Amino acid sequence: QKEVEQDPGPLSVPEGAIVSLNCTYSNSAFQYFMWYRQYSRKGPELLMYTYSSGNKEDGRFTAQVDKSSKYISLFIRDSQPSDSATYLCAMSDKLTGGGNKLTFGTGTQLKVEL
Amino acid sequence: DSGVTQTPKHLITATGQRVTLRCSPRSGDLSVYWYQQSLDQGLQFLIQYYNGEERAKGNILERFSAQQFPDLHSELNLSSLELGDSALYFCASSPPGQATDTQYFGPGTRLTVL
Repeated sequence: QKEVEQDPGPLSVPEGAIVSLNCTYSNSAFQYFMWYRQYSRKGPELLMYTYSSGNKEDGRFTAQVDKSSKYISLFIRDSQPSDSATYLCAMSDKLTGGGNKLTFGTGTQLKVEL
Repeated sequence: DSGVTQTPKHLITATGQRVTLRCSPRSGDLSVYWYQQSLDQGLQFLIQYYNGEERAKGNILERFSAQQFPDLHSELNLSSLELGDSALYFCASSPPGQATDTQYFGPGTRLTVL
């Protein structure tokens, strides 16, 4: 079983729809939770990060973390064609020796249609 | 634009060869991370350097090595290349002393092994 599970999609929605993207995880040691957006053949771009359980809002984006259920979500309101991309959840883990790494979900491919 | 630069953008080489990928972190960032992204494995953490010292290792093959130089740029060396090494290789960086573990990714190097 993977440490982070994410539905790969593809997910197709009409413009203006509310999009819900989700990840589940199994490692209780994960501390910070992030969402990255990746356009085709580009590097992942950091969208949001959260630490504690609860909601965090930034414009049309809301990140939600439920540590008791080991479940995180990203909501996109009023979705636009420019939101069409792959969305990756990522979780940080402190390692022995002071290092840290991100463990990524496989990504959900989103298409917002006119 | 994240501020992380990577060269070259594309690399095509043959099996058995050796290549070097280069990364310059964002100004002020001391940590550099290398990730491999393939279709079947997703984004996988390879290695982290902090201010010239190796800090953490992930799923990095023995044929691969990395280093970080005094000017903080980093190189990832891949040798005895195999067809399965074809992938996108990303470098990321993060600032010192941050609490959020967020990482900023470069545009990537696409490696094709023929």
